[in-house]
Amino acid sequence: TQLLEQSPQFLSIQEGENLTVYCNSSSVFSSLQWYRQEPGEGPVLLVTVVTGGEVKKLKRLTFQFGDARKDSSLHITAAQPGDTGLYLCAGARGSSNTGKLIFGQGTTLQVKP
Amino acid sequence: DTEVTQTPKHLVMGMTNKKSLKCEQHMGHRAMYWYKQKAKKPPELMFVYSYEKLSINESVPSRFSPECPNSSLLNLHLHALQPEDSALYLCASSQEPDRPNYGYTFGSGTRLTVV
Repeated sequence: TQLLEQSPQFLSIQEGENLTVYCNSSSVFSSLQWYRQEPGEGPVLLVTVVTGGEVKKLKRLTFQFGDARKDSSLHITAAQPGDTGLYLCAGARGSSNTGKLIFGQGTTLQVKP
Repeated sequence: DTEVTQTPKHLVMGMTNKKSLKCEQHMGHRAMYWYKQKAKKPPELMFVYSYEKLSINESVPSRFSPECPNSSLLNLHLHALQPEDSALYLCASSQEPDRPNYGYTFGSGTRLTVV
């Protein structure tokens, strides 16, 4: 059972365009994390959102956690070729969690110059 | 030191070989993880070590054998692997296993090819 549905799975856009990646679930998460992974490297943590309704900004990236803590979105403004990579959302399931994260399927983003 | 270091970066092994992957972190993190990742797919959890004890084994075949010699080191021993085991193997750590909100720090991975 895939608990985190991430969409779109693939996205190819021109430099300067805006985009949004969605991460949805029917389950409540205590936190959601976003990672970016470049080919041949491990995922790098971008942000963790913890509070329902929380919005965090990281330069041109805006992350939002849904009010019910079941979904999250990543919005990139004026995408650049350096934003190219695999974007992964991952959720943690509460205080009894043993450290296990649940990953979405990932969004492969290509930004063309 | 804010890194997770994995060695080797690349490994090619035959189906009868025995090899080991190594992972090291000096951030004082008490949870360490092994993940397997196929191309353009999310990481799949294999093992979780919590305070140096194996806490989760995600029904991984016995040809993969994890070991945590101390709080900074994590090994993955490989024996009699199959070609379908070829993948990127990622090590990760987090502050404490029951506080995942701080996020994981991943290593760069070992690209394993089984021939």
